[in-house]
Amino acid sequence: EDQVTQSPEALRLQEGESSSLNCSYTVSGLRGLFWYRQDPGKGPEFLFTLYSAGEEKEKERLKATLTKKESFLHITAPKPEDSATYLCAGNSGGSNYKLTFGKGTLLTVNP
Amino acid sequence: DAGVTQSPTHLIKTRGQQVTLRCSPISGHKSVSWYQQVLGQGPQFIFQYYEKEERGRGNFPDRFSARQFPNYSSELNVNALLLGDSALYLCASSSEWGADTQYFGPGTRLTVL
Repeated sequence: EDQVTQSPEALRLQEGESSSLNCSYTVSGLRGLFWYRQDPGKGPEFLFTLYSAGEEKEKERLKATLTKKESFLHITAPKPEDSATYLCAGNSGGSNYKLTFGKGTLLTVNP
Repeated sequence: DAGVTQSPTHLIKTRGQQVTLRCSPISGHKSVSWYQQVLGQGPQFIFQYYEKEERGRGNFPDRFSARQFPNYSSELNVNALLLGDSALYLCASSSEWGADTQYFGPGTRLTVL
């Protein structure tokens, strides 16, 4: 069974304090690893797709990386507006293209 | 361009009732997926539709059903509501069958009393 595990469950940072979120996965026939941002009561907002080990993608203060078993979301010099839940998901392909999500990491950035 | 839209925004029902949730995908997108997100958990896959055909189904009871219309919009129906069906129901669209990136709507918050 496909599984995605995120850690830590919650992370509290001071503004400007860089850190990383972890996503480990066991998804058969992985077609892609996805990162989403979700604000309270809202739908997930697409951030990145990673397809192969060694791939990296950046957007403003965020950088996502992928290995054969894990993905990391690095946050450099975060600001309070980066506070949100960050979700990781694997796309298994095959007969359908469902996303298997982790539980997310709740990030709080204090000013 | 408009993103994925869902209606209604919020809904309150009582146990045993039936509910219909609606979704309009991004213009030009042909595939729609439905997910259930319980508070504190990640979204869980319910259904995927492409060109009006069901292409995937998650581990949900038969009380859950869906359909896709010729204009690619979709409805999710849940019968005989249980307290445990209270959740945020998310619709996601992607451009084609096999297109990897799914874009989510704002969700419908369903509360079952």
